[in-house]
Amino acid sequence: KQEVTQIPAALSVPEGENLVLNCSFTDSAIYNLQWFRQDPGKGLTSLLLIQSSQREQTSGRLNASLDKSSGRSTLYIAASQPGDSATYLCAVGGSNYQLIWGAGTKLIIKP
Amino acid sequence: DAGVIQSPRHEVTEMGQEVTLRCKPISGHNSLFWYRQTMMRGLELLIYFNNNVPIDDSGMPEDRFSAKMPNASFSTLKIQPSEPRDSAVYFCASSTLLGGRETQYFGPGTRLLVL
Repeated sequence: KQEVTQIPAALSVPEGENLVLNCSFTDSAIYNLQWFRQDPGKGLTSLLLIQSSQREQTSGRLNASLDKSSGRSTLYIAASQPGDSATYLCAVGGSNYQLIWGAGTKLIIKP
Repeated sequence: DAGVIQSPRHEVTEMGQEVTLRCKPISGHNSLFWYRQTMMRGLELLIYFNNNVPIDDSGMPEDRFSAKMPNASFSTLKIQPSEPRDSAVYFCASSTLLGGRETQYFGPGTRLLVL
């Protein structure tokens, strides 16, 4: 059974720093891995989707990497801004339709 | 496109009452998902529709929960009778391909409080 873990549960950093969020999964037989952002009281917004054949995806200041063999993905945020404050969730897609979700990392960027 | 639309945004009801949550997926999307999010359990998939047909409802907690998708542009999630432990945020999401293989687009959620 696939399990997805995100550590730490919360992270607070000063504005301008580069930071890395971690996601680990137990079964390497994945179809893809997605990173989402959730703002308080809002729905989830997809940030990046990495197919199993890919090693990384980039969008603006965000870069997500995938290492299936080690069961790990990282989300790198460059030059963090207060507007990046949110909860970041990773989700693993298997061969069926389901996404298996991590519990999320709550990120606070201090001005 | 306006994105996934959910209504109501907030619902407060008393235990035993019927609650109906509504969702309009993005036009052209043929997969629809209902999720529940709580602090204790995180995001849980309740039911998944593909081309208006329920594919897997194994996540539905119990018989008090039911979901329908009468057409490609509308779905409902009903709780009858509601209980305090049903208090949560309920999300609807849609995607163009089989879920998990393509990005899912989430609605803003319905925050349900059962007293």
